[in-house]
Amino acid sequence: AQSVSQHNHHVILSEAASLELGCNYSYGGTVNLFWYVQYPGQHLQLLLKYFSGDPLVKGIKGFEAEFIKSKFSFNLRKPSVQWSDTAEYFCAVNAFSGGYNKLIFGAGTRLAVHP
Amino acid sequence: EAGVTQSPTHLIKTRGQQATLRCSPISGHTSVYWYQQALGLGLQFLLWYDEGEERNRGNFPPRFSGRQFPNYSSELNVNALELEDSALYLCASSFKDRGDDQPQHFGDGTRLSIL
Repeated sequence: AQSVSQHNHHVILSEAASLELGCNYSYGGTVNLFWYVQYPGQHLQLLLKYFSGDPLVKGIKGFEAEFIKSKFSFNLRKPSVQWSDTAEYFCAVNAFSGGYNKLIFGAGTRLAVHP
Repeated sequence: EAGVTQSPTHLIKTRGQQATLRCSPISGHTSVYWYQQALGLGLQFLLWYDEGEERNRGNFPPRFSGRQFPNYSSELNVNALELEDSALYLCASSFKDRGDDQPQHFGDGTRLSIL
C-alpha cells in the first residue's frame, strides 16, 4: 500500500535557522508530490508541488523541495526560517494507478519557530 | 472567487448518533474529496467523488458514506458514531481529477466532537 512518512513530528528552531523536513513515500509508479502548510487557526494551503521536470522546486515564502526519485524522497527546505513559519507541514503524494488517483498525506510536522 | 465551504463549523454528537457534514466545492470543480484529520494521525483520505460518482474510498468502515449532488456539492454521512470519530473533517475540491489537475483546494473543515 502507498504511504508517506514524515520523519519529524515536532521541530523547534530559532529564527534564521535553516530548516529541512524529511518526507519519504512508498510507491513505485507515477507520483505527483506536494507540501501543504496549515498555519494556526487556518486551513491547508499549498506550499509547493512537483509534477515533472526540474526536481528542485521552489514554492511560496522562500520554501523549496527536492525530489530524489532514487530515494523516494521529497524533503522541504528553507535557508532561514521566520517566526511566521510556525505551522504544521504536510507532505502529500498523489499516486496514479489504474485510471484513478489518491492523495496520501504524511502525519505532519509541527514547526515552532522562536524569535 | 469563493473557496471551498464546509458546514457546520462545529458539530457535537453522542455515541450512536448520525452526523451529516456538507461541502460546496469551488465553482467549476467537479471532484470533491473528504479527509479525516484525527489527533496524532495526520490526514487520512476518506472518499473521492467526481461528477456524482464515488471514485475511490480510503480504509474506513462502511458507516462512513457520502454522496455528490448534481451541483457537485457533497455530503459526508457518518452513522453509529464512535468516540474515535472525533476529528476535523476536511473537504477539498479540484477540477476533474485526471493528470495534472491538482492541487486540491481545501475548506476550513468541520470539527466533529463525539461525547
